[in-house]
Amino acid sequence: DAKTTQPPSMDCAEGRAANLPCNHSTISGNEYVYWYRQIHSQGPQYIIHGLKNNETNEMASLIITEDRKSSTLILPHATLRDTAVYYCIVRVDRGSTLGRLYFGRGTQLTVWP
Amino acid sequence: KAGVTQTPRYLIKTRGQQVTLSCSPISGHRSVSWYQQTPGQGLQFLFEYFSETQRNKGNFPGRFSGRQFSNSRSEMNVSTLELGDSALYLCASTPGTNYGYTFGSGTRLTVV
Repeated sequence: DAKTTQPPSMDCAEGRAANLPCNHSTISGNEYVYWYRQIHSQGPQYIIHGLKNNETNEMASLIITEDRKSSTLILPHATLRDTAVYYCIVRVDRGSTLGRLYFGRGTQLTVWP
Repeated sequence: KAGVTQTPRYLIKTRGQQVTLSCSPISGHRSVSWYQQTPGQGLQFLFEYFSETQRNKGNFPGRFSGRQFSNSRSEMNVSTLELGDSALYLCASTPGTNYGYTFGSGTRLTVV
């Protein structure tokens, strides 16, 4: 049921920006793009979400293309603690359903010293 | 403020038994969702509850059930356990649409 495509793995040097891509070519107009990450054996942690505008918070920035078919999560200064599996999720929102998240396989980001 | 609390953290059961897992959402969050995570299938949606009503259900057999109480706490039950039910079970809560979900640390169920 996953509706997103992400590279299985990426690596990044500590202190550099990590840019994680996601393809969601079948996204519909009212679907949001969410990013979560999961550090080994912990529950996923919410990072950021957006509809069509770029978003930024204290953790990351989200860049969504104008056609909304892809997005990029940017961790501006990656640290070793950012090593995790990152999930790009399209949130289905239909009627009374508040949100069923379709997780794909995610991207294993490894930050090296 | 307290996060999403799941109990117990670890559980070992025998095939054929049943199990009940508990989830206490963040105060004020009325929506609770459950997910199963296995190495082979990844994270899969089980069901979602809002105001004591099941709003959506994933593609799992009827052995998997859940409920939500008036204080928004939720339980999920798995009957007639199978080896393949061994997984990390995650609960998430949200105050509603357009908000992110907060996940608990999960319950690690092992069926032997």
